[in-house]
Amino acid sequence: KAGVTQTPRYLIKTRGQQVTLSCSPISGHRSVSWYQQTPGQGLQFLFEYFSETQRNKGNFPGRFSGRQFSNSRSEMNVSTLELGDSALYLCASSQTGTPSYNEQFFGPGTRLTVL
Amino acid sequence: DQQVKQNSPSLSVQEGRISILNCDYTNSMFDYFLWYKKYPAEGPTFLISISSIKDKNEDGRFTVFLNKSAKHLSLHIVPSQPGDSAVYFCAASDGSYGGATNKLIFGTGTLLAVQP
Repeated sequence: KAGVTQTPRYLIKTRGQQVTLSCSPISGHRSVSWYQQTPGQGLQFLFEYFSETQRNKGNFPGRFSGRQFSNSRSEMNVSTLELGDSALYLCASSQTGTPSYNEQFFGPGTRLTVL
Repeated sequence: DQQVKQNSPSLSVQEGRISILNCDYTNSMFDYFLWYKKYPAEGPTFLISISSIKDKNEDGRFTVFLNKSAKHLSLHIVPSQPGDSAVYFCAASDGSYGGATNKLIFGTGTLLAVQP
């Protein structure tokens, strides 16, 4: 079974631009969560989608948005990029809608650099 | 406000010895705790978990201990192997959501280096 895939793996943008990151969960998984990892901050929860609905949202500004499609693939968008948005963005997928912690799988991440 | 804290950014241990990674939390509503391991250029992988109703969970070389009164958990790796060298993240789930989310709150991670 293929794992969680994220595209692109690396991205360089300049301040003010916008960016879209993509996540394809494991086949059959309906829950997708997004996290931002920066040095010294660990992983910060961005949002979670289940069956195309946003179930939970972290404390990030409105510039960060996401969506989930009917095939469970998810995208996140960051508009008006700032230098502080440089980070590793991780996506995690889970089969069930309720916490089933052993089954939450992470992708390799997208490394975003904002210049 | 960091609800999950890993106060040791790094830890160095000799091969064959015990590695002890610590984690403190502040939210008494956390009902499930997990440890993830992360290698560079890869996503975190699940290692071991523990429910708040238990105080110990063991899986092979890995044991997690939970002290609810102290709001502290620790991960013991015995014996440590060079392949265990990675960043270890402690994470928690907030039970106040009633199980309706997969959101995890992560600590900042501890870099474990196991010396041959």
